[in-house]
Amino acid sequence: QVQLQESGPGLVKPSETLSLTCAVSGYSITSGYFWGWVRQPPGKGLEWIASIYQSGSTYYNPSLKSRVTISVDTSKNQFALRLSSVTAADTAVYHCARQLAYCGGDCSLGAFDIWGQGTMVIVSS
Amino acid sequence: QSALTQPASVSGSPGQSITISCTGTSSDVGGYNFVSWYQQHPGKAPKLKIYDVSIRPSGVSNRFSGSKSGNTASLTISGLQAEDEAYYYCTSYTSTSTPVVFGGGTKLTVL
Repeated sequence: QVQLQESGPGLVKPSETLSLTCAVSGYSITSGYFWGWVRQPPGKGLEWIASIYQSGSTYYNPSLKSRVTISVDTSKNQFALRLSSVTAADTAVYHCARQLAYCGGDCSLGAFDIWGQGTMVIVSS
Repeated sequence: QSALTQPASVSGSPGQSITISCTGTSSDVGGYNFVSWYQQHPGKAPKLKIYDVSIRPSGVSNRFSGSKSGNTASLTISGLQAEDEAYYYCTSYTSTSTPVVFGGGTKLTVL
């Protein structure tokens, strides 16, 4: 059974960097699929942040790209998110998820088929 | 403002069928068959119900079905049950600078 589990601090100060990790169990992160992050501010909808392939190929939401880094650690079977210069607007539940993709020369990103339970991150001093 | 447009709310009685629409453009919904639908209960993670417009993942009830016409995708839930009350989100691949876009979400109320 494939499971994803997010971890990281629940409280981050404004202007600092938010760092989250997603541990994958029951499936090797090198066996295919993209791996992504999606967030949901309180009472609002879902927002895609970024996705990464085992090779390190990455895709970012342009609205966040200047502040976001997604990375993969195949030795630990996990991937990570860093979001710099956070503000209160970055307060949200952050989910990691496995993502389908269809790759030729470039990749078309598809559905998120397995999700972590999510972790709430509050940005406050 | 979300890139994909969904109705804010829909409702139906137990046993009835409802349809939730997801309207985009030729750069996303209309141009690719990479539309997916998620169900989210309060405080829970989203669950994939439909991917690639109309494919149900293993274990998803056949009461859930998806379709697409032009720039609009649709999720139909037949034989409504109380447990179907939740938020539903669509998403699509896009050929724009943002390769993944979500709809704003639709609250389904089972009367």
